Amino acid sequence: GENVEQHPSTLSVQEGDSAVIKCTYSDSASNYFPWYKQELGKRPQLIIDIRSNVGEKKDQRIAVTLNKTAKHFSLHITETQPEDSAVYFCGTGRRALTFGSGTRLQVQP
Amino acid sequence: SQTIHQWPATLVQPVGSPLSLECTVEGTSNPNLYWYRQAAGRGLQLLFYSVGIGQISSEVPQNLSASRPQDRQFILSSKKLLLSDSGFYLCAGTGSGNTIYFGEGSWLTVV
Repeated sequence: GENVEQHPSTLSVQEGDSAVIKCTYSDSASNYFPWYKQELGKRPQLIIDIRSNVGEKKDQRIAVTLNKTAKHFSLHITETQPEDSAVYFCGTGRRALTFGSGTRLQVQP
Repeated sequence: SQTIHQWPATLVQPVGSPLSLECTVEGTSNPNLYWYRQAAGRGLQLLFYSVGIGQISSEVPQNLSASRPQDRQFILSSKKLLLSDSGFYLCAGTGSGNTIYFGEGSWLTVV
């Protein structure tokens, strides 16, 4: 099955700085790469996703880049704000999503 | 747009008791449906997924089972709960473009 590794496990940045979270995957046939944000005690919410025919996608302060050759994809958050503090999960797979172990992002005001 | 309803929201069950968590989907037909479990402070573990009525794929051997009696209904069950079954259970389903959305989750504490 699919294996997804996510780094770092924790990330602390100052408000206004950028944050980058990276995931690598094993199944070269995976074609869908979403990112979810989970606040404490709540369900994961989709924040951005990318499909394998696209190398980069941007939505305001959030962007995702995909390198299919190297089998990795990354989440980029610019101009971070305290409300960005949460746990972020990457996922990929074909019929079902396998998730990374999560990154706890703390944005210091 | 797709909406996933999941209940109950919280439950406390004794060891050895049965379990039934229910999930229904609105706003889409023939969705893929999933059950994930999240232990406290941990990641999302895929338990079961279904691509259609009566079709269940199990990802992790355990004392849980899943059923899909209707197109937009997915049920997670256990005959006898273990302490290790405690966690946050999330139902998920595919919407347009095969995007996956989660229900609000069910907190299970086995005591």
